[in-house]
Amino acid sequence: DTEVTQTPKHLVMGMTNKKSLKCEQHMGHRAMYWYKQKAKKPPELMFVYSYEKLSINESVPSRFSPECPNSSLLNLHLHALQPEDSALYLCASSRSPGGEKLFFGSGTQLSVL
Amino acid sequence: DAKTTQPNSMESNEEEPVHLPCNHSTISGTDYIHWYRQLPSQGPEYVIHGLTSNVNNRMASLAIAEDRKSSTLILHRATLRDAAVYYCILRTYKYIFGTGTRLKVLA
Repeated sequence: DTEVTQTPKHLVMGMTNKKSLKCEQHMGHRAMYWYKQKAKKPPELMFVYSYEKLSINESVPSRFSPECPNSSLLNLHLHALQPEDSALYLCASSRSPGGEKLFFGSGTQLSVL
Repeated sequence: DAKTTQPNSMESNEEEPVHLPCNHSTISGTDYIHWYRQLPSQGPEYVIHGLTSNVNNRMASLAIAEDRKSSTLILHRATLRDAAVYYCILRTYKYIFGTGTRLKVLA
């Protein structure tokens, strides 16, 4: 199993809503990543988890709150988002931090109204 | 963060080789050179990586300049399925994507 599964695939939320994005992998990878991608732009790193601990936060606003409940799961909790936060949110994993290959999910397309 | 520079777009004819260049003049000795590609409506997928020597795999070849300040991804026979955005990345303890090259393959 070399898949990273992200749910939901699409999400529409209002600015006062609270929602969560979920990412799962069963490859035994110990590093997991959140990226944000605006249309026609490259992915931008948001967070890195290393052995279930947050190791990198790229100065992301606190309305994005990551969580890594165990080595297979990564969540991104969303609260009070702005319309400019609308984007494709990509999850990735690698065998170890800075490991050889990143495996990406297909992403969650988020629209904030 | 170390940066990469790539052309915004390139075109190739189907069945012909494609050479995608990348400049990374600020590379340090321990930075690996990675290439990923992103097909429409998908997450990026790994293509190839290397440190100093040229590398080959079933998808592509990676040619690395002797001074490591540039590299070239080579697709030996482009197909329509290879149309994607190709990203050259310097891997340190994190992966920072450059702007990428949008490859168009003409039938």
